[in-house]
Amino acid sequence: EADIYQTPRYLVIGTGKKITLECSQTMGHDKMYWYQQDPGMELHLIHYSYGVNSTEKGDLSSESTVSRIRTEHFPLTLESARPSHTSQYLCASSEFEGGKTQYFGPGTRLLVL
Amino acid sequence: AQKITQTQPGMFVQEKEAVTLDCTYDTSDQSYGLFWYKQPSSGEMIFLIYQGSYDEQNATEGRYSLNFQKARKSANLVISASQLGDSAMYFCAMREGGGYGQNFVFGPGTRLSVLP
Repeated sequence: EADIYQTPRYLVIGTGKKITLECSQTMGHDKMYWYQQDPGMELHLIHYSYGVNSTEKGDLSSESTVSRIRTEHFPLTLESARPSHTSQYLCASSEFEGGKTQYFGPGTRLLVL
Repeated sequence: AQKITQTQPGMFVQEKEAVTLDCTYDTSDQSYGLFWYKQPSSGEMIFLIYQGSYDEQNATEGRYSLNFQKARKSANLVISASQLGDSAMYFCAMREGGGYGQNFVFGPGTRLSVLP
């Protein structure tokens, strides 16, 4: 069973608010990822990290930012939420090399009004 | 060019029957991994099965098996004895080799509906 956690699970917030989506894993994985997914659609990689102090942008441009100060923690921040940010955000982690899979958190469903 | 193609946006299957979900991939790497994930309506991604490019045997996990045809670059998921709880989105994914922790690439998904 995967030990990766995301909070909050659901968030409804007004335009212009700053939000932080939390993601933590207890598996000691080096690599962590953030995906954005609209309902029933494919996953888009928006950020990833190779380890502490490493952050990289993914394939899909995003106005969000991430940080990786601790191995187990990979929060995503939106400085000013907009309705176009409404989506599901999935956090995942994997071993750096040779891992057989990445493990996903339960996701955060964000609605910006 | 799409690295992962899933040509079936939606599939229906009768309960207790088998179903095959198609996946083709594109890579020039010799070393890569192929994955299938299930995503129920609750939204979480559940890992189902993994196939390494050097694995000679097709992977199996319970009712799931992966029909790996390397020359055709296909990695179809076979679900035997479908259950109502199998209704979900299914995503095929690939992780290419080449070192330094390559990222995963996902296909667009197939929505499977199991009929009673």
